[in-house]
Amino acid sequence: DVKVTQSSRYLVKRTGEKVFLECVQDMDHENMFWYRQDPGLGLRLIYFSYDVKMKEKGDIPEGYSVSREKKERFSLILESASTNQTSMYLCASSSQGQPQHFGDGTRLSIL
Amino acid sequence: QKEVEQDPGPLSVPEGAIVSLNCTYSNSAFQYFMWYRQYSRKGPELLMYTYSSGNKEDGRFTAQVDKSSKYISLFIRDSQPSDSATYLCAMGRGSTLGRLYFGRGTQLTVWP
Repeated sequence: DVKVTQSSRYLVKRTGEKVFLECVQDMDHENMFWYRQDPGLGLRLIYFSYDVKMKEKGDIPEGYSVSREKKERFSLILESASTNQTSMYLCASSSQGQPQHFGDGTRLSIL
Repeated sequence: QKEVEQDPGPLSVPEGAIVSLNCTYSNSAFQYFMWYRQYSRKGPELLMYTYSSGNKEDGRFTAQVDKSSKYISLFIRDSQPSDSATYLCAMGRGSTLGRLYFGRGTQLTVWP
């Protein structure tokens, strides 16, 4: 079974802090994704990566950056956290043309 | 217009009912179609995966894809309280590096 592991289930940070969310997958997938999920808005793609050191902007990249130094690990960075970034963050991975597999999410609160 | 449209519900049915969940889409380039189930405070888990048009059955679940109408459905037979969850449709094109396009999800409650 594919395992996508997100480093924290719950996280509380303060406005202005730099926040790191980590995601690791164990299936040697080329593609990795970061989403945020908000009530009524569904899943929104922030960034994705199709190879090590490669990244593509999704639909809502503003205020975020990503890092993929190793194939199995994809990090989401909030450069200066703001209250409107309070959300559920979901990481996923996939092989080309195959379904994405998700982690259980990080519920991030920015105070 | 959003690429994938899905009625958010909520949908509430008695145990044993047949449930029909639907999505429509606008991009005829979509080639593969998925349904995910998401329980509260968990990540989405893959339920059904189909490539191109047709039907696929897995136990109590049947996925249908009608590419001519740009319409996909998920049917749940003999629904159980354990089916209570949010169901998300998703679809993708072969040329987009694995990116999927999601509906907003339909919240389903099956009451005993």
